[in-house]
Amino acid sequence: DAGVTQSPTHLIKTRGQQVTLRCSPKSGHDTVSWYQQALGQGPQFIFQYYEEEERQRGNFPDRFSGHQFPNYSSELNVNALLLGDSALYLCASSLGGNTDTQYFGPGTRLTVL
Amino acid sequence: GNSVTQMEGPVTLSEEAFLTINCTYTATGYPSLFWYVQYPGEGLQLLLKATKADDKGSNKGFEATYRKETTSFHLEKGSVQVSDSAVYFCALISSGSARQLTFGSGTQLTVLP
Repeated sequence: DAGVTQSPTHLIKTRGQQVTLRCSPKSGHDTVSWYQQALGQGPQFIFQYYEEEERQRGNFPDRFSGHQFPNYSSELNVNALLLGDSALYLCASSLGGNTDTQYFGPGTRLTVL
Repeated sequence: GNSVTQMEGPVTLSEEAFLTINCTYTATGYPSLFWYVQYPGEGLQLLLKATKADDKGSNKGFEATYRKETTSFHLEKGSVQVSDSAVYFCALISSGSARQLTFGSGTQLTVLP
């Protein structure tokens, strides 16, 4: 039973560029949430996708956008990268829109130079 | 809004010592409470959870009790091991939300042999 997978593992970009991160949820899960974890901090909620729609959004600018595909996998896109976007980006999956338990992937480490 | 406050780290203990990591929260409604653990270079793993007042979550020798009267969910372990060295995050999901996790800032635990 595959857990949550994310790609790529590491990514280096320069300011102003755009980046796409990918997430495949745990088998059987249909809900994907994205979190940003800055160094030494707790994860911060970016947004959640369920039934291919964004259900809720945290306090992040419109430069952060996402998508969920019919197979429940998801992408996180960040435009016009800033140095402050450097962080570990975590994807979490869960079953149904109201399940408490979320399973996390290993994350994508984004470095913006 | 929702918030989680964790005991400041880092915490350094000798093997077999008793561990307590304090966690208090502010939330609307009746949240579910969680402890997640993050080992170096990895994503988050759910350690334990409690969904209602006076529930005790437990796993791998760790336990925490949901105390509504003190809005607390302190993590304890009677005898820590070197392999318990990691960052521990307290988190909550508030009832009525789209199940987004709100995390504390994390507590780094180092256990020395």
